[in-house]
Amino acid sequence: DTGVSQDPRHKITKRGQNVTFRCDPISEHNRLYWYRQTLGQGPEFLTYFQNEAQLEKSRLLSDRFSAERPKGSFSTLEIQRTEQGDSAMYLCASSDGHAGELFFGEGSRLTVL
Amino acid sequence: GIQVEQSPPDLILQEGANSTLRCNFSDSVNNLQWFHQNPWGQLINLFYIPSGTKQNGRLSATTVATERYSLLYISSSQTTDSGVYFCAVPASGNTPLVFGKGTRLSVIA
Repeated sequence: DTGVSQDPRHKITKRGQNVTFRCDPISEHNRLYWYRQTLGQGPEFLTYFQNEAQLEKSRLLSDRFSAERPKGSFSTLEIQRTEQGDSAMYLCASSDGHAGELFFGEGSRLTVL
Repeated sequence: GIQVEQSPPDLILQEGANSTLRCNFSDSVNNLQWFHQNPWGQLINLFYIPSGTKQNGRLSATTVATERYSLLYISSSQTTDSGVYFCAVPASGNTPLVFGKGTRLSVIA
């Protein structure tokens, strides 16, 4: 499968713990995006990368969130000191920056107890 | 920032019926995508349609960029069409997509 892949698909953690999600984009895509989706809402933009450069961060991305894309390939999204309000689906997408069409992975669902 | 409004929020159809979903946006755009979110949460690309009309099987979409709306048509609906349909446009230029709240479609056999 050459689509966007995310890992883990599901994560249950206790409040205060750290969690990390990984995203592997479509191989030739230079842009990678992170979104968050809560129940009944549309996906909300968190941050995006062009190659290894983080170009934009939403104000939703608090200091407890950090994202990296060290070699311009896969990306990680870390949430430190998780809170119950962090429970959501975390979606990763990639695009060929020139064409602009986004393709999403299957998402990583986080439950904070 | 740009606003994206989708209607109706919910739609229940009998299998075989046709439907039209609408997406209005508040500013001019150079990109628009329609997605179907399946029951497992994955967003499936339906159309990349900044303007004009495209068709793919029973689905078609039309975007009238000058009037700031797009329509998604589903004909002869099937139970597998159930789920949430989202449209999304860039906040500005070639920037990340902003999503509407979606239309939840339920197709009943």
